Amino acid sequence: SAVISQKPSRDICQRGTSLTIQCQVDSQVTMMFWYRQQPGQSLTLIATANQGSEATYESGFVIDKFPISRPNLTFSTLTVSNMSPEDSSIYLCSVWWTAGNTIYFGEGSWLTVV
Amino acid sequence: QKEVEQNSGPLSVPEGAIASLNCTYSDRGSQSFFWYRQYSGKSPELIMSIYSNGDKEDGRFTAQLNKASQYVSLLIRDSQPSDSATYLCAVYAGNNRKLIWGLGTSLAVNP
Repeated sequence: SAVISQKPSRDICQRGTSLTIQCQVDSQVTMMFWYRQQPGQSLTLIATANQGSEATYESGFVIDKFPISRPNLTFSTLTVSNMSPEDSSIYLCSVWWTAGNTIYFGEGSWLTVV
Repeated sequence: QKEVEQNSGPLSVPEGAIASLNCTYSDRGSQSFFWYRQYSGKSPELIMSIYSNGDKEDGRFTAQLNKASQYVSLLIRDSQPSDSATYLCAVYAGNNRKLIWGLGTSLAVNP
């Protein structure tokens, strides 16, 4: 499996600000995903990060709010823009591991918006 | 709407007992089935995958799949307090590399 590192691991943010989360993988992967997990909830897919092109967003998520970059096959960023307390959540970077036809997750970024 | 359903729990078992976690799914075309464990404050980690009908054993964990009944389960033998976590069932239907997630079952193993 891949080693997936996320930064920051935790942050407290002011309402109205933006925060960028970084995800670094130790090997090249074709597909990377960003998930959100709100308190007490299961995982919700935000978008698929596509290398060299615009991300593919799921219903309910838009690029203006969650811009994503994927400059190469080992790195992606997710920005949470104009944050409100409702954005307080765990944000998880994940990769599709072809050998197992499954997903592995980074450690997560715990964001609290005050 | 493709769905994966799990009992939310909490499921409480005594230490040393067998914990049985269940999951049903709606898409008959589903190909692969996964169990993830998530400790409080941590990200999900893959513990078992199963692709064919029947049982698959890995240490104290056994995954069981019945595609006719659209049912997958996870048995944890000799449960330990360290097994206390939320167990997420995920199903892959073979399109767009996306997994469909259940809401998770909370397991508490009591010493």
